[in-house]
Amino acid sequence: DAKTTQPTSMDCAEGRAANLPCNHSTISGNEYVYWYRQIHSQGPQYIIHGLKNNETNEMASLIITEDRKSSTLILPHATLRDTAVYYCIVPPTYTGNQFYFGTGTSLTVIP
Amino acid sequence: GAVVSQHPSWVICKSGTSVKIECRSLDFQATTMFWYRQFPKQSLMLMATSNEGSKATYEQGVEKDKFLINHASLTLSTLTVTSAHPEDSSFYICSARPELGAFFGQGTRLTVV
Repeated sequence: DAKTTQPTSMDCAEGRAANLPCNHSTISGNEYVYWYRQIHSQGPQYIIHGLKNNETNEMASLIITEDRKSSTLILPHATLRDTAVYYCIVPPTYTGNQFYFGTGTSLTVIP
Repeated sequence: GAVVSQHPSWVICKSGTSVKIECRSLDFQATTMFWYRQFPKQSLMLMATSNEGSKATYEQGVEKDKFLINHASLTLSTLTVTSAHPEDSSFYICSARPELGAFFGQGTRLTVV
């Protein structure tokens, strides 16, 4: 019951910024946007989350549009180890904040 | 970040036997834990939500008598796959929630032979 839409795949040159978009047009006012990534055969790794302000941490930046209907995850200097599937998740508050996963974006960082 | 430990990392069992997978939140208390299943080249599929001290809530299509979930404490939830069959072979992942967000275990690769 994911309520997000992401491109299926993207490529990025090593050392360049990777910008991963996510559409969440039905987001409610009090629902957060979370980003995770999954490297093959591992559990998802938390990256960042936000409500309406832009956020930055040591891994990435999260830019949320003013209407909150979309967001972009930015990896400022992509490395080969950033190759993974990236998931944008908006847990629905009305059903208990379950984390439903969509298909995500498979990011390949190219040397 | 918060740590969620899942055990075992992989298990092979014979068809018809039961397998138990443990999920522990090591540095926070989790009133809610989630269990997922992931088949090759697919996304994570939520199986059930377990709340400490109460019965788990299963997603549509998930057999509650086959996938037994126990969440006896604020730091431990277990998933038991009963009478496992080859089609139950999959990657099982747990997740634990602190007040905000969710953190995931490293996953358990189950192979039923």
